[in-house]
Amino acid sequence: DAGITQSPRHKVTETGTPVTLRCHQTENHRYMYWYRQDPGHGLRLIHYSYGVKDTDKGEVSDGYSVSRSKTEDFLLTLESATSSQTSVYFCAISGGVRAGNTIYFGEGSWLTVV
Amino acid sequence: RKEVEQDPGPFNVPEGATVAFNCTYSNSASQSFFWYRQDCRKEPKLLMSVYSSGNEDGRFTAQLNRASQYISLLIRDSKLSDSATYLCVVEDSNYQLIWGAGTKLIIKP
Repeated sequence: DAGITQSPRHKVTETGTPVTLRCHQTENHRYMYWYRQDPGHGLRLIHYSYGVKDTDKGEVSDGYSVSRSKTEDFLLTLESATSSQTSVYFCAISGGVRAGNTIYFGEGSWLTVV
Repeated sequence: RKEVEQDPGPFNVPEGATVAFNCTYSNSASQSFFWYRQDCRKEPKLLMSVYSSGNEDGRFTAQLNRASQYISLLIRDSKLSDSATYLCVVEDSNYQLIWGAGTKLIIKP
C-alpha cells in the first residue's frame, strides 16, 4: 500500500469552528489531492497541489483552503466549518497527471459538523 | 446531465455468476478511463485501466466504446470477495479525473 497517512481519521466539530485535516506521504510524489465523497456523488476534487507551495482549486473549493510547505505534507483547512461540509475526505497522491500515473488514496477522514 | 454516470445498483448476484455494468461519459474528448474498487468505509483502489482495444485481468474484462461513449466492466465467476462499489473514472483533456458515483455490487452465496 502507498504510504499515505491522514489525520485525524474521525472528528466531530461544531459549526463555525476551524478544522485542519493533515495528509502525510512517504512516497515523494509530486501531486497531492484532497477529495470529498458524499452519497450520490462521485469523488469531488477540492484542491490539489503540484509541488511545494503550488496549489490550485478543484471543483468544490469554496470554504476550503490548503497549504503545502513540504513535499510530504498537504493540509486542508475548513476556516469555519458548516454542516454541508460533513463528509468523508480523502487525500490522494500521484507521480504525475498523465495516464499511467496511478492515483493512490489515504484511508479517509470522517468529519461531522454539528 | 452528469459528466460520468453509473447505475448505483445494488446489483445482487449469486456467487459464480457473470455480472456486467456500464458507465457513460459526456465529454467526447475524454482521454483515459479507469475502474476503481471501493470497499465499504475504505479508500478507492485502482482495479484496472481501460484501453481502446479492451483489456482483461483474470476474471475482469474492461471495454471502451468511444462511439457510444461508455465503458464497461465484466466480472466472470463472481466471488463473495468481489462485493464492493465499483467506481468509473474518466480523465479529460486537461488531465482532470471525473469520478462516477459508483455501482454497488453484492455477491450472494
